[in-house]
Amino acid sequence: RKEVEQDPGPFNVPEGATVAFNCTYSNSASQSFFWYRQDCRKEPKLLMSVYSSGNEDGRFTAQLNRASQYISLLIRDSKLSDSATYLCVVKGGYNKLIFGAGTRLAVHP
Amino acid sequence: DTAVSQTPKYLVTQMGNDKSIKCEQNLGHDTMYWYKQDSKKFLKIMFSYNNKELIINETVPNRFSPKSPDKAHLNLHINSLELGDSAVYFCASSPKVAANTGELFFGEGSRLTVL
Repeated sequence: RKEVEQDPGPFNVPEGATVAFNCTYSNSASQSFFWYRQDCRKEPKLLMSVYSSGNEDGRFTAQLNRASQYISLLIRDSKLSDSATYLCVVKGGYNKLIFGAGTRLAVHP
Repeated sequence: DTAVSQTPKYLVTQMGNDKSIKCEQNLGHDTMYWYKQDSKKFLKIMFSYNNKELIINETVPNRFSPKSPDKAHLNLHINSLELGDSAVYFCASSPKVAANTGELFFGEGSRLTVL
């Protein structure tokens, strides 16, 4: 089983739609979780951390379910500029960040 | 004023050759990393250095040898290149060992194609 698993997508949604991505992780001892965004042929960039109580940053909401070992990212009112690959990231041993393969989002007019 | 810069951005070479990728960060960070992103888009850590000291060395063939002359530089040398080495190699840095913020600052990547 992969350490971090995501549905690769693509998710094709119209502008204004709400879309949600899930991610599961295998190590129940993991403590820190993040979402990164990677545009096509660009480097990944941190989008937001995921806190135990859930957290929001504008149109983006991240949630953590420790019991089921999954993390989610909800994007409301999708914009064309949200089109990218969203990478789920879990902090593993030795503080290394373990990346999922990403979920691709395509927002169309 | 690129924070993490890597060269070259593109590299096309023949099997069996030796090549190097250089990385420099001007953020004053203590920790630097090399990640490999293959055609399936998995981003996998290869090495991590903290203040020039190797702290993470994943299961990577010993044809790959990182070198950190100082904490602002982390270079990657690859000997006897194989077809499977074709990938995008990302350099990254963080203030401390993947500090609590979880934020890594990535370079733009070096796309290596082995023919």
